[in-house]
Amino acid sequence: LAKTTQPISMDSYEGQEVNITCSHNNIATNDYITWYQQFPSQGPRFIIQGYKTKVTNEVASLFIPADRKSSTLSLPRVSLSDTAVYYCLVGDNYGGATNKLIFGTGTLLAVQP
Amino acid sequence: DTGVSQDPRHKITKRGQNVTFRCDPISEHNRLYWYRQTLGQGPEFLTYFQNEAQLEKSRLLSDRFSAERPKGSFSTLEIQRTEQGDSAMYLCASSLAMGVYGYTFGSGTRLTVV
Repeated sequence: LAKTTQPISMDSYEGQEVNITCSHNNIATNDYITWYQQFPSQGPRFIIQGYKTKVTNEVASLFIPADRKSSTLSLPRVSLSDTAVYYCLVGDNYGGATNKLIFGTGTLLAVQP
Repeated sequence: DTGVSQDPRHKITKRGQNVTFRCDPISEHNRLYWYRQTLGQGPEFLTYFQNEAQLEKSRLLSDRFSAERPKGSFSTLEIQRTEQGDSAMYLCASSLAMGVYGYTFGSGTRLTVV
């Protein structure tokens, strides 16, 4: 599974847009980029997944440049309830080389009033 | 189906005791995973099942740990002769698809060994 690197922590204020960048220089052709969110005392929750360009859902947007060696999770107008740890993972959706999620330490996003 | 259920939510045990945790996955999910998470770290993979078959175990899973998934439904994770280093959150997840998409995690069982 391709290794990912992301900032350990980020601070923001309510109402701001937050962008968390993840680097994955060794991403494979079949790999997708997936982000999970984890609140204290809860299991991680799937946020968004993408392969290239841009993906948007009701929670976030995911921007992936052409070389796919990095990705940016964008959270619009964050609120206090977005304070959580955000994990970036890469792996394929076909179970070839990827049988399980491998988590790093994630990015702790702290949103202040 | 309300998601992945784990029981108990919290467990305090004395060192040397055995503990067992239960996970009920989403009913149509054939894959089930156990993870362990300590403070400030991401979840660490322990083992996973496809239906009733245990297909992979991490080196983290010492001989004191055993997991089962009879009939491919719920799963149990047992820790024998608990040690203080076993204190952690134990997370269960299930998925239908292969690969990294669509995992649903439970809220975990927090184990404290005193």
